[in-house]
Amino acid sequence: KAGVTQTPRYLIKTRGQQVTLSCSPISGHRSVSWYQQTPGQGLQFLFEYFSETQRNKGNFPGRFSGRQFSNSRSEMNVSTLELGDSALYLCASSGGTGPGSTDTQYFGPGTRLTVL
Amino acid sequence: GEDVEQSLFLSVREGDSSVINCTYTDSSSTYLYWYKQEPGAGLQLLTYIFSNMDMKQDQRLTVLLNKKDKHLSLRIADTQTGDSAIYFCAEESGGGADGLTFGKGTHLIIQP
Repeated sequence: KAGVTQTPRYLIKTRGQQVTLSCSPISGHRSVSWYQQTPGQGLQFLFEYFSETQRNKGNFPGRFSGRQFSNSRSEMNVSTLELGDSALYLCASSGGTGPGSTDTQYFGPGTRLTVL
Repeated sequence: GEDVEQSLFLSVREGDSSVINCTYTDSSSTYLYWYKQEPGAGLQLLTYIFSNMDMKQDQRLTVLLNKKDKHLSLRIADTQTGDSAIYFCAEESGGGADGLTFGKGTHLIIQP
């Protein structure tokens, strides 16, 4: 089975712009979660999508949004970029059967976003 | 809130065992995970342990869980240069409803 893929791998934007990142989960997986990784804050949960609906959300401002399509592919959007949004954005897919099960998350390689 | 603590660095000699420690706070976590991240790469799932287990062994990896003390450890036997990476401990937050909460990661440095 192919793993989780993320595009693009690298992105450079300027402050005030917006950006869209894409994630294709492992075939058959219905849940996609997004995480932000920075040197200062480490890995932080952004949100999770399951069956085209946002199921869980972390503590991030409304500039961060996402969506999921019927084929389980997900996109994440960040509007009005700030310097502090520079980070590695990781996507993870899982079966989506919920907590308390062997619903292991498998991560993609990430998209490295640099905001200038 | 939930918090996961790990030492930032661990240095071991090649061939020795590495033990990476982690403490977590969410007692509702059903599963606890260890992930590995190599430079420029995403996270690779190494192993996980169910909260009602004390130990899990998988080839060179041994996970020990002390649920009373909320302490998790990962032992890597016969550490090789290819094991050099950052190792993250993660717990299910809010019983899994809030994604995974990760520690800051332990940089494992292998000395020849």
